[in-house]
Amino acid sequence: DAGVIQSPRHEVTEMGQEVTLRCKPISGHNSLFWYRQTMMRGLELLIYFNNNVPIDDSGMPEDRFSAKMPNASFSTLKIQPSEPRDSAVYFCASSLAGDSYEQYFGPGTRLTVT
Amino acid sequence: SQQGEEDPQALSIQEGENATMNCSYKTSINNLQWYRQNSGRGLVHLILIRSNEREKHSGRLRVTLDTSKKSSSLLITASRAADTASYFCATDAPQAGTALIFGKGTTLSVSS
Repeated sequence: DAGVIQSPRHEVTEMGQEVTLRCKPISGHNSLFWYRQTMMRGLELLIYFNNNVPIDDSGMPEDRFSAKMPNASFSTLKIQPSEPRDSAVYFCASSLAGDSYEQYFGPGTRLTVT
Repeated sequence: SQQGEEDPQALSIQEGENATMNCSYKTSINNLQWYRQNSGRGLVHLILIRSNEREKHSGRLRVTLDTSKKSSSLLITASRAADTASYFCATDAPQAGTALIFGKGTTLSVSS
């Protein structure tokens, strides 16, 4: 298996632009998680899905952030409009929900908003 | 809110020495996991210990769990330069569904 795939790996954009991050989870996994990591705040859970349904989006910073999972093999995290404080590494992870919930992380997308 | 808190925040040792990292958490758990993150990479699962287990081994890793103290430790024996990374504990929690709650991590630096 190729593991969790994220694209792009790096994104540099100007303030005010729309940014879309993409994730393909491991085939067969039914939970998908979006995280943001910064030096100041560490690893923050933004939102997670079970069976394509958003379960908890309480970590989404504000209405500028939205996430979708139209099917079991694809998810997007969109920021519109982007701001410099959104600069971070965004990780997607997937797991097979069960009694262990071990998560498999993608390589991350490094977002820089200037 | 933060469930797991690692201690120390940073640890520097020489190759061959043992490294011990601790994690404390707040609520009851079903299991606790440790992850490693190399610089610029995603987190990688290392080991899982269930709430009814007290100790678990995997290669040079030894994890202990004390549910009465709500704490866990990760011991890396005979450390190598390649062990340089950040280490995170993660717990499930009754209110978190299938999500894990990660601590802020311990940054381990192993010098040769």
